[in-house]
Amino acid sequence: GESVGLHLPTLSVQEGDNSIINCAYSNSASDYFIWYKQESGKGPQFIIDIRSNMDKRQGQRVTVLLNKTVKHLSLQIAATQPGDSAVYFCAETHSGNTPLVFGKGTRLSVIA
Amino acid sequence: GAVVSQHPSWVICKSGTSVKIECRSLDFQATTMFWYRQFPKQSLMLMATSNEGSKATYEQGVEKDKFLINHASLTLSTLTVTSAHPEDSSFYICSARGGTGGSPLHFGNGTRLTVT
Repeated sequence: GESVGLHLPTLSVQEGDNSIINCAYSNSASDYFIWYKQESGKGPQFIIDIRSNMDKRQGQRVTVLLNKTVKHLSLQIAATQPGDSAVYFCAETHSGNTPLVFGKGTRLSVIA
Repeated sequence: GAVVSQHPSWVICKSGTSVKIECRSLDFQATTMFWYRQFPKQSLMLMATSNEGSKATYEQGVEKDKFLINHASLTLSTLTVTSAHPEDSSFYICSARGGTGGSPLHFGNGTRLTVT
C-alpha cells in the first residue's frame, strides 16, 4: 500500500462489537504481510502476520484475511475493547528480507 | 519475545547541533536493522537499512551525510542526526528482525526529536 498519507482514516466502533480494518497493498510481488498496532507515542507492536500461501490466519481475538486477487488485506478484531484503540498499520514485504513498506494506517476508536 | 530497545525516548536540541539515537536488540542478534521516520498522523517512512559491518543503504531522498548510521555490532545500530534543523523534528523508530528472513520485524518505542 501507499506509505504516505496526510490524514488517517478513522473507524469508530462500540465496545463489544467486531472491528474490520482494511488495507490495499500495491506490490503484487509481496508475499509476507503483517498487521501492527501503534499506540500514541510508541513504536508499532506486532499483532499478526500471514504469508501469501494462505488466505486466512487466526490469532487470539484477531483474524487476518488476504485476498491476493484484489491485493487486499483485512484485520478483524472480535469483541473490541477500549484497549484496542490505536492506529493500525498493515505492512508488506517480499521474501521477508526486504524492508517493510507500511500502509497509511487506520485509527480505531472504541466507544465505551 | 524479541525486544528492541531505543534510547533516548525523547530529546530536545537546538538547531545546528547533532543528536545520536541508539537502537539495541536485547535478546537476539540483528545483522540488519531498519530506521523509520514518522510525522504526526502519517505512516512510517523507511529512511535506511543498517547492515552490521557495512555501509547503510539509504532510501531515495534521505541524505546520508545528514543521517549517519553506524551498525558496529550485531546488537547495536545508531542514527545520528547531524546539524539538526526544526524540519528534522519527527518520531524516529528503529526495527530489527529476530531470526531468519520471514520473521516479523520488532520495533523500538521510538525517539521523539524536537529541534528548536
